[in-house]
Amino acid sequence: NAGVTQTPKFQVLKTGQSMTLQCAQDMNHEYMSWYRQDPGMGLRLIHYSVGAGITDQGEVPNGYNVSRSTTEDFPLRLLSAAPSQTSVYFCASSYGAPTEQFFGPGTRLTVL
Amino acid sequence: KNEVEQSPQNLTAQEGEFITINCSYSVGISALHWLQQHPGGGIVSLFMLSSGKKKHGRLIATINIQEKHSSLHITASHPRDSAVYICAAFFYGGSQGNLIFGKGTKLSVKP
Repeated sequence: NAGVTQTPKFQVLKTGQSMTLQCAQDMNHEYMSWYRQDPGMGLRLIHYSVGAGITDQGEVPNGYNVSRSTTEDFPLRLLSAAPSQTSVYFCASSYGAPTEQFFGPGTRLTVL
Repeated sequence: KNEVEQSPQNLTAQEGEFITINCSYSVGISALHWLQQHPGGGIVSLFMLSSGKKKHGRLIATINIQEKHSSLHITASHPRDSAVYICAAFFYGGSQGNLIFGKGTKLSVKP
């Protein structure tokens, strides 16, 4: 049982490049979320999904895209990377809301 | 506006001390989550509670719904407890978008 996995662990991008952060869970959780963590700020919700085929925006969705074609996977796409997207990104999953959140190990992204 | 405030922001303690971290929130919630973020960055769930008190080992979490306040206590603190402790509140509305995180309390326990 791997829990929540994220790849890559580290990534450096140039401004304007696109990329996809991968997130997968093997707990059959319906809810999955993407957060970003910046110094001095709490975790902020980017996008979330309450089941396959259903996604919604969180607090800071601009510049990011998501889809949920399976229960297990919830990739986060950066469309055109900007330095303001330099952050640590966490994926989390849960059975529902409000229930315990399980977090992935995070992806540290730097945009130059 | 749904807000979560934690105090203190930073806390330094000597090994063996009793630690209290506080969390207050602005309006009614359905549940409150305490999380621990290790120095390496990983985040793990400690407690989820909607009333009363929960205990796990040396950690105790309490919540007072009327006062909109929760506390996380660590008894007999140890250097391995050094981490950032985060509270997160599920505000009424029930959706994932209503989970708001505090900024965290950085705890350092000296031997």
